[in-house]
Amino acid sequence: KAGVTQTPRYLIKTRGQQVTLSCSPISGHRSVSWYQQTPGQGLQFLFEYFSETQRNKGNFPGRFSGRQFSNSRSEMNVSTLELGDSALYLCASSPGFEGSPLHFGNGTRLTVT
Amino acid sequence: QKEVEQNSGPLSVPEGAIASLNCTYSDRVSQSFFWYRQYSGKSPELIMSIYSNGDKEDGRFTAQLNKASQYVSLLIRDSQPSDSATYLCAVNPDAGNNRKLIWGLGTSLAVNP
Repeated sequence: KAGVTQTPRYLIKTRGQQVTLSCSPISGHRSVSWYQQTPGQGLQFLFEYFSETQRNKGNFPGRFSGRQFSNSRSEMNVSTLELGDSALYLCASSPGFEGSPLHFGNGTRLTVT
Repeated sequence: QKEVEQNSGPLSVPEGAIASLNCTYSDRVSQSFFWYRQYSGKSPELIMSIYSNGDKEDGRFTAQLNKASQYVSLLIRDSQPSDSATYLCAVNPDAGNNRKLIWGLGTSLAVNP
């Protein structure tokens, strides 16, 4: 069974630009969650999508947005990039029912200069 | 503010010893608890999930949950150098289907040959 696939693996952008990250979940998984990981803050929840609907949202500014398609693939967009957005962005899929664990992709390493 | 606390380490143990990793959480109604392992430069991978008070064993790993004390631990028996990684504790503070986990910052484990 194929795992969670994230693209691209690495991105370098400049301040003010926007970026779109992509995630393909494990086949059959309907829930896709996005996390930001930084050394000082650890893993911070961005949002979760389930069946094309945002089911939960973390405490990030509106510059961070996402969507999910009918095939469960998800994209995350960050507009007007800031230096502090440099981080590892992780996508995780799960079946979506109560207590089901997350399965992470390899992540996208975003560097903002 | 819902929190998950872990000792950052590093925790250093000799090969073959038992490594004990601890995690406390602030939200008494938390329902689901997870241990993930993260190697440097890699994404987190699930080791164990636990939902009920008591012990749960899987190979060399044992998770222990005490909801009254708001405490979850992970024991690694017969530690191997390949177990050297950062171990992340994650808690789902809400009942229901959401995947909005709260994460500790992780404990760094070093197993010395």
